[in-house]
Amino acid sequence: KNEVEQSPQNLTAQEGEFITINCSYSVGISALHWLQQHPGGGIVSLFMLSSGKKKHGRLIATINIQEKHSSLHITASHPRDSAVYICAVSPFTGNQFYFGTGTSLTVIP
Amino acid sequence: NAGVTQTPKFQVLKTGQSMTLQCAQDMNHNSMYWYRQDPGMGLRLIYYSASEGTTDKGEVPNGYNVSRLNKREFSLRLESAAPSQTSVYFCASSSDPGTGYGYTFGSGTRLTVV
Repeated sequence: KNEVEQSPQNLTAQEGEFITINCSYSVGISALHWLQQHPGGGIVSLFMLSSGKKKHGRLIATINIQEKHSSLHITASHPRDSAVYICAVSPFTGNQFYFGTGTSLTVIP
Repeated sequence: NAGVTQTPKFQVLKTGQSMTLQCAQDMNHNSMYWYRQDPGMGLRLIYYSASEGTTDKGEVPNGYNVSRLNKREFSLRLESAAPSQTSVYFCASSSDPGTGYGYTFGSGTRLTVV
C-alpha cells in the first residue's frame, strides 16, 4: 500500500505546453512537498504547502486538504524542466515522510 | 555555500567490506535523514534523527547503523556491505521534523557493491 500516488508516471510534452502533475495521498498531513530531480543529479525542494497555492516563476503548486490532492503545474514548459518530480508528505503522526515514486517529465524542443 | 554536504560521491565496495557515508549540514537544522533511492522504488527512509541525540529506524534499516555525532553531522555506516545495498544514498535535513520545513538534500552517493 502506497500512501502517496502520483500521476502520470511518465509525461512527454512539447516546449511551451502547460503541464500538470498530480499527487494524491491517503493520510492526514501537516505539509506536502514537491521535489525536483534532474537526471543523475541531486534533489531540490520546489515547494512546501500546507494549504492553498504557491507560485515560483513558471511553477505553481496547489493543494486541496479536504480532497487529499495536490497538483504541480508548469506553464510555458522548457526543455530544462525535464526532470523527475516527486511528491512527498509529512504525516501528522511521526517524523517521517511518505514519497511518491515520481513523475518523469521530458520536454521536447 | 549553505546546504547539505555528502561524501563520498561515488564508492565501489566488495561484498563484506565496511564503509561510512558522511553528511554535514550548516543550516542549524534539527532533523537529519538518510534515504536510499532505487529504480522504480522511489526514496526510502533508512534512518532519521529528529533532533540531536536521537536516532530512529525508518522503512529499511537492516544492514545499516547511524550516528548523530552533533547537530551538524549524521553518518551512515554499512558494517558488511551486500550487493543488495547497491543504490544511490541521499542525506537530507530539515528544521522541523513535523513538517519538513527547509527540507534540503545532499547531492547523493552512488554506491556499488560487487
